[in-house]
Amino acid sequence: ETGVTQTPRHLVMGMTNKKSLKCEQHLGHNAMYWYKQSAKKPLELMFVYSLEERVENNSVPSRFSPECPNSSHLFLHLHTLQPEDSALYLCASSQYASIRQSTDTQYFGPGTRLTVL
Amino acid sequence: AQKITQTQPGMFVQEKEAVTLDCTYDTSDPSYGLFWYKQPSSGEMIFLIYQGSYDQQNATEGRYSLNFQKARKSANLVISASQLGDSAMYFCAMRGEGGQFYFGTGTSLTVIP
Repeated sequence: ETGVTQTPRHLVMGMTNKKSLKCEQHLGHNAMYWYKQSAKKPLELMFVYSLEERVENNSVPSRFSPECPNSSHLFLHLHTLQPEDSALYLCASSQYASIRQSTDTQYFGPGTRLTVL
Repeated sequence: AQKITQTQPGMFVQEKEAVTLDCTYDTSDPSYGLFWYKQPSSGEMIFLIYQGSYDQQNATEGRYSLNFQKARKSANLVISASQLGDSAMYFCAMRGEGGQFYFGTGTSLTVIP
């Protein structure tokens, strides 16, 4: 496997369900990110992890709970979501969370398209 | 405040022609990086090209080139010899000294046969 992988690719859930999104990176990077992409809106950064420690949380509702057990894996646990949470959830990784090298870029996974009924 | 602006919600280009996708940015950081990503309908964001704020020359990667005008704070993407597979959303992004990436709202490009 290469790059950044995400599972599942599609998820439909009810408002009372609990589900988890999984992300795995095979690039040896130290930073991982969760983004939310809604139609006609810029990407919204949700969480940033650097070396398994959360360094940024952009005021995301508590119904989204991230987990980073090691530098290669990132989860997003979902519970009691709302219909407006339906979106494409993208995971990304980069070498560092802070800018040490100007060429350091983010590489993205294919995303999980989430629909909340 | 950091900001990326893409003013073209949709663009059309004839196959084999060149197209320019506009991007302007706003930052007070002396050092920053500029990126372009392609997002096909499948959803994955594919990294295309990078330009550093101190780079003297415009970046090029195959058919992609970045027209970097620092004084105007613009970083336009030029795609030469468009192909049908270039039809996708294109996002401009910037990374400032704080490390966070900022994305524009994207431009939808359609290549016409």
